[in-house]
Order: sequence, then structure tokens, then C-alpha cells
Amino acid sequence: DTAVSQTPKYLVTQMGNDKSIKCEQNLGHDTMYWYKQDSKKFLKIMFSYNNKELIINETVPNRFSPKSPDKAHLNLHINSLELGDSAVYFCASSQDPLNGQPQHFGDGTRLSIL
Amino acid sequence: AQKVTQAQTEISVVEKEDVTLDCVYETRDTTYYLFWYKQPPSGELVFLIRRNSFDEQNEISGRYSWNFQKSTSSFNFTITASQVVDSAVYFCALGTYKYIFGTGTRLKVLA
Repeated sequence: DTAVSQTPKYLVTQMGNDKSIKCEQNLGHDTMYWYKQDSKKFLKIMFSYNNKELIINETVPNRFSPKSPDKAHLNLHINSLELGDSAVYFCASSQDPLNGQPQHFGDGTRLSIL
Repeated sequence: AQKVTQAQTEISVVEKEDVTLDCVYETRDTTYYLFWYKQPPSGELVFLIRRNSFDEQNEISGRYSWNFQKSTSSFNFTITASQVVDSAVYFCALGTYKYIFGTGTRLKVLA
């Protein structure tokens, strides 16, 4: 059983388009995250939600809008895609992060902007 | 400000050699958590270990061991008798809700 699943795995699209990435976790965790990994493998947090409430927004352009319909899902919608958005996007979840419970990551979505 | 430094960008070893990946961190928090993750060529991020700031005991899991030293703000990772399957990028991270990742160390184990 997949713990944190993201769809699609690959996304190739043109500049200016709008796209969404979906994330679901079946671990019963309260907290979910989106990270961006650039071409140099650098990983940076974008957003964090706890029980559907936004708790971290790391100065991400407002073209990126996360949505959490329930605590098992955290989707990422991106408007007006730009070349610099090309990256791998990782969803993650954790339970009780304040007590150091580890984040479990999905397999990533590789977004390529033409 | 919090920071994680992995000074080794890439390491190449021959199979069966031991290898240590370095991680140095900065934080003003008295309670904090450190993690190691593995990213194999297939791209997923695999959790390896967590350590909290109050537990300086070293840990061993099979061929993997971790050395946490608060005095030097380091959390180093050693692979004993490396294997080709250990080839991956390894990330050290610090945090709770928000992980600060190091830039990763690419380990190549040659047959």
C-alpha cells in the first residue's frame, strides 16, 4: 500500500498553462507538506498544512495555491507556469512533527515546462 | 537562523570500503530534531533515521551507523562495507514542521 501518493508522476506542459498536482496520504497523519527540488537537488519547503489549516507559506509566488479538502489530501495548483517552475515537487506527511516524527515523502512529480 | 551544511558534494568509493558522510548544523533551539534521508537514482526520498537533541547515543542499524555530537554540532553517517546499492544522494535535515535540508552528498559506490 502506497503511504503518500502523488499524481501525476510526470507533467510536461507549455509556459503559461495552469496545472495541478494531487497528493493523498493513507497514514492518518495530521500534517502535510509540499517541497520543491530544483535541478541541483536542493530541497526547499513551500507549504505546510496541519488539519487543513495553512501553517507555513515560504514566500512562494502566489501563482502557487495549495488546497487541502481534508487532512488526507493536499493538492497544489500552479497558474501561469514559468520556465523556472521546472523541478521535482514532493508531497510529504507526518504525525506530531513538534515531537520530531519524521516526514514521509511521496515519489515526486517531475514538472517540465517547455 | 537554522542551517545544515553537507560540505561533501560527491564521494566515490569502491565496494566494501567504509564511507562517512558529514553533516554540520546550526540552530539556536535547545530542542531540535535531525534526520537523514536517502534519494536513490529512482528519485524517491527514503527516511533513514531521526535523532533528537537530548539523545547523543550513537546508533547502528546493520551496515549504517550515526554519530551525533552536540559539542561539534555534527550528525555524521557512516556506511560500513559499502555496496553498489548504497549509491544515492544522501540528505541531512533539521527541523520539525519545516525541514531545513543540506545540499546533499552524492555517493557513488563502484563495483
